Amino acid sequence: GQNIDQPTEMTATEGAIVQINCTYQTSGFNGLFWYQQHAGEAPTFLSYNVLDGLEEKGRFSSFLSRSKGYSYLLLKELQMKDSASYLCAVSRSGGGNKLTFGTGTQLKVEL
Amino acid sequence: DTEVTQTPKHLVMGMTNKKSLKCEQHMGHRAMYWYKQKAKKPPELMFVYSYEKLSINESVPSRFSPECPNSSLLNLHLHALQPEDSALYLCASSQESREQYFGPGTRLTVT
Repeated sequence: GQNIDQPTEMTATEGAIVQINCTYQTSGFNGLFWYQQHAGEAPTFLSYNVLDGLEEKGRFSSFLSRSKGYSYLLLKELQMKDSASYLCAVSRSGGGNKLTFGTGTQLKVEL
Repeated sequence: DTEVTQTPKHLVMGMTNKKSLKCEQHMGHRAMYWYKQKAKKPPELMFVYSYEKLSINESVPSRFSPECPNSSLLNLHLHALQPEDSALYLCASSQESREQYFGPGTRLTVT
């Protein structure tokens, strides 16, 4: 089976930087994805890591350490519109691209 | 174009009704997925189609019946549902093991 852990809630200030952590335990690891989901909307893809290291995409960066079963999503220059749920999802090999999502981190950005 | 479309947006059905949810993508993706999402929970995988063949069924009750008529379309046929099946049903597609793109979802209410 799989176990994916994220903090339930985080609060940060507009303009600041926030790091959302994700730890996982799985067999057949085939990549880790981060998604953003606003209330009542579909998840939207943010980033993908399959090898160790940092992937940067504009204000968003994601890091992966496969040996530690650890990833984080870094959001810089926070904006009010970044208030959303951030979902860590692990892909396992075999039988199609099977994604298992963590419970999500609800981020609230305040003035 | 990274759009996945789903119809209808909202659906209310009785426990004896038969209805279908539809999903369409024109990105040339050969993997398509159905997820179920309850309020304040992450999406849960139901089915995976790979090259128009069912590759994963996550022990979903038989009152949910998926169908993939061609590489662009995915249906979910619903029959004799229970009130606890009320949820947001999300369709997604991907190019093999790459990121999945989600449709806006169908919000289903079973009365």
